Amino acid sequence: NAGVTQTPKFRILKIGQSMTLQCTQDMNHNYMYWYRQDPGMGLKLIYYSVGAGITDKGEVPNGYNVSRSTTEDFPLRLELAAPSQTSVYFCASSYGDNEQFFGPGTRLTVL
Amino acid sequence: QKEVEQNSGPLSVPEGAIASLNCTYSDRGSQSFFWYRQYSGKSPELIMFIYSNGDKEDGRFTAQLNKASQYVSLLIRDSQPSDSATYLCAVSRRGSTLGRLYFGRGTQLTVWP
Repeated sequence: NAGVTQTPKFRILKIGQSMTLQCTQDMNHNYMYWYRQDPGMGLKLIYYSVGAGITDKGEVPNGYNVSRSTTEDFPLRLELAAPSQTSVYFCASSYGDNEQFFGPGTRLTVL
Repeated sequence: QKEVEQNSGPLSVPEGAIASLNCTYSDRGSQSFFWYRQYSGKSPELIMFIYSNGDKEDGRFTAQLNKASQYVSLLIRDSQPSDSATYLCAVSRRGSTLGRLYFGRGTQLTVWP
């Protein structure tokens, strides 16, 4: 099992550009999450999903969108990148409220 | 008041010592408590979880929970340089959607040889 995979690992965006961060898990987990982590800070929940077709906002959803069309995939969309979205983004998955497994992260810089 | 608070550190201990990491939470309805370890530039990994008041031991790690004081701690015995990392406390609240975790800012631990 690859676990949780994320692409790309690094990305530099210009202000106003758009991109999609990809996340895939092969553990058949029903719950998936997107977090962002700013330097010296903990993880903030952006969006989460409890199953295919079901998504909900977390603590910091503004500027982001998600979709969950399959159990395995949970992409995160940034529509109009802003410098405030410079961060490390982690995708995670779990089976219900059990342990969350994290992907390796995507380091995004918006200039 | 922040949901989950941790001493940001850094905490520095010599090899072989006990490292004590602390976390307080604001919601009395919190029911599940997790400790994640995060090495620099890496993703968090779960090292301990605890649901009931008291102590839970796993090898060199002991998690302690006191719901009356809204306090959870992690003790690392016989600390090793490889334990140097940031430790994140996370809390799951009763009544919230299952699986949602609220994280503290983390405590940076350095174990020096």
